Amino acid sequence: GAVVSQHPSRVICKSGTSVKIECRSLDFQATTMFWYRQFPKQSLMLMATSNEGSKATYEQGVEKDKFLINHASLTLSTLTVTSAHPEDSSFYICSARGRALGETDTQYFGPGTRLTVL
Amino acid sequence: DAKTTQPNSMESNEEEPVHLPCNHSTISGTDYIHWYRQLPSQGPEYVIHGLTSNVNNRMASLAIAEDRKSSTLILHRATLRDAAVYYCILRFQGAQKLVFGQGTRLTINP
Repeated sequence: GAVVSQHPSRVICKSGTSVKIECRSLDFQATTMFWYRQFPKQSLMLMATSNEGSKATYEQGVEKDKFLINHASLTLSTLTVTSAHPEDSSFYICSARGRALGETDTQYFGPGTRLTVL
Repeated sequence: DAKTTQPNSMESNEEEPVHLPCNHSTISGTDYIHWYRQLPSQGPEYVIHGLTSNVNNRMASLAIAEDRKSSTLILHRATLRDAAVYYCILRFQGAQKLVFGQGTRLTINP
């Protein structure tokens, strides 16, 4: 299957600072990328969907000014958590969708980034 | 999005088959049935998907009821590495996003 990477895998920051998380599709072009958030012992919650070169579409209740998403190329999307607070501490997971060689249009997930805001 | 219902948890023994059920009584004709699994502290991993016919791949088999209102993910010979949360998700053809439910937490006993 196709590979999606995230960087960093783990980050600890102080309250009020901004944190950027990168998501890359390594061996395919991602027409669409997704960002999810997962709190402990809960399921994944979709935050936003982004298409390359377009503004992201945010799910209801997700603050677009707080969670900035940039999808500048077919292999890279970034999520910036601005002015992070302890309640933003969570596991952030990106996903990419595209037509990897010989495969159907499947969605592939990154390994996740654990954000801890002190 | 059409809703799926899965048991909260299941338990099985190593080297035995596991049948994970999923009910989706409101499924529409263009909804694909997707299964993903998530190991602890990792992102979800694609397992299998299908529309009407049963599907097999190297990881699992997907058995779809004739009326498509339910499906079963079959792990033919469970290993300890199969312990994970398994999500059954419906996505209609052309839709972009996957919406996750609560899934089934599968425990494998040695």
